[in-house]
Amino acid sequence: DAGITQSPRHKVTETGTPVTLRCHQTENHRYMYWYRQDPGHGLRLIHYSYGVKDTDKGEVSDGYSVSRSKTEDFLLTLESATSSQTSVYFCAIRDGQGTDTQYFGPGTRLTVL
Amino acid sequence: TQLLEQSPQFLSIQEGENLTVYCNSSSVFSSLQWYRQEPGEGPVLLVTVVTGGEVKKLKRLTFQFGDARKDSSLHITAAQPGDTGLYLCAGDPQTGANNLFFGTGTRLTVIP
Repeated sequence: DAGITQSPRHKVTETGTPVTLRCHQTENHRYMYWYRQDPGHGLRLIHYSYGVKDTDKGEVSDGYSVSRSKTEDFLLTLESATSSQTSVYFCAIRDGQGTDTQYFGPGTRLTVL
Repeated sequence: TQLLEQSPQFLSIQEGENLTVYCNSSSVFSSLQWYRQEPGEGPVLLVTVVTGGEVKKLKRLTFQFGDARKDSSLHITAAQPGDTGLYLCAGDPQTGANNLFFGTGTRLTVIP
């Protein structure tokens, strides 16, 4: 299994509070991704990173920001959580060396009340 | 948005039956991947198909990439309860965006 961990694994928070999710990898892969998974929508890309301090928006980036200050960590921040951001969040990594394989973390279940 | 539609959305079959899951799009993809996801876990890659018309077999699973590289299918022969899970297709567009577009998923239940 690829060395990807996500923290926390579960979180319940209230509307309007800031939330930060962490993705940590031990594979030294260049690319890192944040997805959200909701019933009927599959996985949707929020933001991704193609290197330290290099990030770009995905399909559903509104209300989210990311940071990558070092190769192994990719943080997803909800500046002011809303109920529509209740979801399961997955981090993924890809080495970018001629393969498109993305390896996924175990996910974070976030509930915004 | 590169829309990938999967059908059926839900599928419940008896052990030993065969099934096919479809992944369709109006967009062309440079490659297409199939993932399987179990409850409480992240998706795990099953296969990547790259060439139009390509067929790959993984034990009882057969994957096909359409000639025009817009669609794909997953066929399972003699399904087993261990095949139960969420199957996701994901396409890599030709735009060089370095990301994948995922289908909506097919939730398969194989009843013993």
